[in-house]
Amino acid sequence: QVHLVESGGGVVQPGRSLRVSCAASGFSFSFFAMHWVRQAPGKGLEWVAVISFDGSNKNYPDSVKGRFIISRDNTKNTLYLQMNSLKTEDTAVYYCARDPNSGWLDSWGQGTPVTVSS
Amino acid sequence: EIVMTQSPATLSVSPGERATLSCRASESVGSDLAWYQQKPGQAPRLLMHTASIRATGIPARFSGRGAGTEFTLTISSLQSEDFAIYYCQQYNNKSPITFGQGTRLETK
Repeated sequence: QVHLVESGGGVVQPGRSLRVSCAASGFSFSFFAMHWVRQAPGKGLEWVAVISFDGSNKNYPDSVKGRFIISRDNTKNTLYLQMNSLKTEDTAVYYCARDPNSGWLDSWGQGTPVTVSS
Repeated sequence: EIVMTQSPATLSVSPGERATLSCRASESVGSDLAWYQQKPGQAPRLLMHTASIRATGIPARFSGRGAGTEFTLTISSLQSEDFAIYYCQQYNNKSPITFGQGTRLETK
């Protein structure tokens, strides 16, 4: 059974950094691309980052490019999102999601909330 | 970036009736279209991919159609557990992944 558990969310001041993690179990983590998707309070879904199964390819939307870094440790079955220079508009629940190397997201974690506020 | 537009924003339907949700892409995405269901306080759940292929465990009352720029998700006979928010997502490799703004399906 696929299990994705995010952690590391919290309250952080604008301009500061935060790293969230996603622990994967129940499947061969190193075979799958992985994504981060966020959802601001009362809003829709916004894609944040993708990393290929082996970590060699990464991509981001313009809204976070240059500030966020996605990475993975396949020996620890863990996905990361390093968020730098945080802005109030980055406030959201951050979900990790599995991609069977096709583009759709077939399993999601429960999310970790991040609040950027002074 | 490909913009996804869903309509209507809110759809009111009675249990047992049919619901049809629409999703339009600003340019062709072929069949690179997925649908998700999200209930309050929960993560999204994959319903459909490749426009018309049901994900594992999704009941047959859910069906998807379309290609290019116009897509629909139909729920043939609404059950109480189907009232939720539905999102479409394109994953065509011409563009970064984008989601529609969602359709809220509510009880009439």
